[in-house]
Amino acid sequence: SAVISQKPSRDICQRGTSLTIQCQVDSQVTMMFWYRQQPGQSLTLIATANQGSEATYESGFVIDKFPISRPNLTFSTLTVSNMSPEDSSIYLCSVRDRGSHNEQFFGPGTRLTVL
Amino acid sequence: AQSVTQLGSHVSVSEGALVLLRCNYSSSVPPYLFWYVQYPNQGLQLLLKYTTGATLVKGINGFEAEFKKSETSFHLTKPSAHMSDAAEYFCAVSNYNQGGKLIFGQGTELSVKP
Repeated sequence: SAVISQKPSRDICQRGTSLTIQCQVDSQVTMMFWYRQQPGQSLTLIATANQGSEATYESGFVIDKFPISRPNLTFSTLTVSNMSPEDSSIYLCSVRDRGSHNEQFFGPGTRLTVL
Repeated sequence: AQSVTQLGSHVSVSEGALVLLRCNYSSSVPPYLFWYVQYPNQGLQLLLKYTTGATLVKGINGFEAEFKKSETSFHLTKPSAHMSDAAEYFCAVSNYNQGGKLIFGQGTELSVKP
């Protein structure tokens, strides 16, 4: 299974600022995903990031707020822009295992607090 | 559209007792079903999965789940709870035409009493 790391592991930010979260995988993967987990809630998919194409956003999420980059098959970034306290969440990246039945492996998450 | 319902946001059992976490799904095509566990301040770890074949699947840490098509269920069980099983458990559904996406249930927090 893929090993996934995220940076930073946690951060406290001021409202109106932006934070870029990095996701690094130890092997080449086609599909990467970004999720948001609000306090005490389940995971909500933000977008699917495929290398060489624009990210595909889910309903309720827009590129201006959550721009995503996917420069190669082992790396992706998610930016949370113009943050407000409502953006305080855990942000997780995941990858789809090659040849799997949509099985995903998750990074440890980035815990974001916006003041 | 697919969906997942987990009955019970909190389940508490005594150490050594049976663990039963309930998951029902909705899918118009044959589903792929997953159970993930999330320990405090950590990411999600795959416990087990059902794709095709045998309907009783075994996972890590002594957990197992049974796919019951007639009941659209995929309940997670463990015969004897251990203190280290205390965590949040998520059921998820996907299928071959979902573009790799997973749909998660609301999660069930398992507490284990000594």
